[in-house]
Amino acid sequence: GAGVSQSPSNKVTEKGKDVELRCDPISGHTALYWYRQSLGQGLEFLIYFQGNSAPDKSGLPSDRFSAERTGGSVSTLTIQRTQQEDSAVYLCASSPTGQGTYEQYFGPGTRLTVT
Amino acid sequence: GQSLEQPSEVTAVEGAIVQINCTYQTSGFYGLSWYQQHDGGAPTFLSYNALDGLEETGRFSSFLSRSDSYGYLLLQELQMKDSASYFCAHQSGGYQKVTFGTGTKLQVIP
Repeated sequence: GAGVSQSPSNKVTEKGKDVELRCDPISGHTALYWYRQSLGQGLEFLIYFQGNSAPDKSGLPSDRFSAERTGGSVSTLTIQRTQQEDSAVYLCASSPTGQGTYEQYFGPGTRLTVT
Repeated sequence: GQSLEQPSEVTAVEGAIVQINCTYQTSGFYGLSWYQQHDGGAPTFLSYNALDGLEETGRFSSFLSRSDSYGYLLLQELQMKDSASYFCAHQSGGYQKVTFGTGTKLQVIP
């Protein structure tokens, strides 16, 4: 079946612009995670959804970052007034349950470059 | 807070065995996972330990000692395609926040 998909695959934007990143999880997966990965670095947790609810938003770096999930499926991560330090690969993952340390299925990521 | 430490780089010879260690600090613990990530690719799940002991999946095995807050990934019969970054990860504290380790870049040489 289809895996996790993300769009766009690459996004170049000017500093100060807003961007929206989209994640389509595997059908039926109730848990959805967003991570950020800078070049050569580890994965930084951003936010977790169980269904449409986000029990933990503590990983969002600032109030310029927000995320929503609708219909228990598609999720959008929005970054307002982008800054150069926001440049990174943004990864989305889904899981059939909320047991995050069990298998998460990752999408290919969106590479964001802020100029 | 939660943190997981791994060696930053490891080099091993094709056909050999390599062990990648992970030590962690957490206020709660629900299990340790391992992921592989090739350059430019997405992480893929390798294994999961909820209890102490060794879990074996083909050439890969993972070990956990909760009393020592320590785990490792063991890769046997190394192949060139095993060159990648390896991350340990855990969920803790009763929330669904997942913390990943710093990552270990494995280079397999002929």
